[in-house]
Amino acid sequence: SQKIEQNSEALNIQEGKTATLTCNYTNYSPAYLQWYRQDPGRGPVFLLLIRENEKEKRKERLKVTFDTTLKQSLFHITASQPADSATYLCSLSSGDDKIIFGKGTRLHILP
Amino acid sequence: EAGVTQSPTHLIKTRGQQATLRCSPISGHTSVYWYQQALGLGLQFLLWYDEGEERNRGNFPPRFSGRQFPNYSSELNVNALELEDSALYLCASSRTGTNEKLFFGSGTQLSVL
Repeated sequence: SQKIEQNSEALNIQEGKTATLTCNYTNYSPAYLQWYRQDPGRGPVFLLLIRENEKEKRKERLKVTFDTTLKQSLFHITASQPADSATYLCSLSSGDDKIIFGKGTRLHILP
Repeated sequence: EAGVTQSPTHLIKTRGQQATLRCSPISGHTSVYWYQQALGLGLQFLLWYDEGEERNRGNFPPRFSGRQFPNYSSELNVNALELEDSALYLCASSRTGTNEKLFFGSGTQLSVL
């Protein structure tokens, strides 16, 4: 079955730098892939969706890439700010109509 | 526009009891999803309802069940509670026929003692 791998280690980035988070999946390439942000004790919040025929998607300081050859998506936050500190989740379809999530990467932006 | 609302915020039960969690989707959304998020673990898919029907369920025992009402709100029932059922239960909604762009509620924190 489809599995998502995100680096579960916390990522510490200096304020103002670009944070890059990785999402790898194991089997077939999904029709689309989504990124969410989750703050402690809250539900995830949708950030970006990228489709299999799109190489890159941008929204303000956020950028997502999707490489179906590498079975990987990269999530970038440019000019990072302490308020960007959160857990970021990658999500895709498991192939049997289940939307599955990775365990997420905790991002800390250091002032 | 009101977001996804879940109730109660917190729920404390003892082992063997039953728990009922409720979710109201965003107006116009007909799909409701339930996820379990145990401490230190990712979101585990529980159930998906659309237009009143159960469309899919995750790898959870039958004591996890639910339903969707005509107004598209949903209920998750957990019978014969076990200690390991302690978790944050998240509900999400989306427009009909799409699993794109899920809107989540803030969850119900279930503690089983």
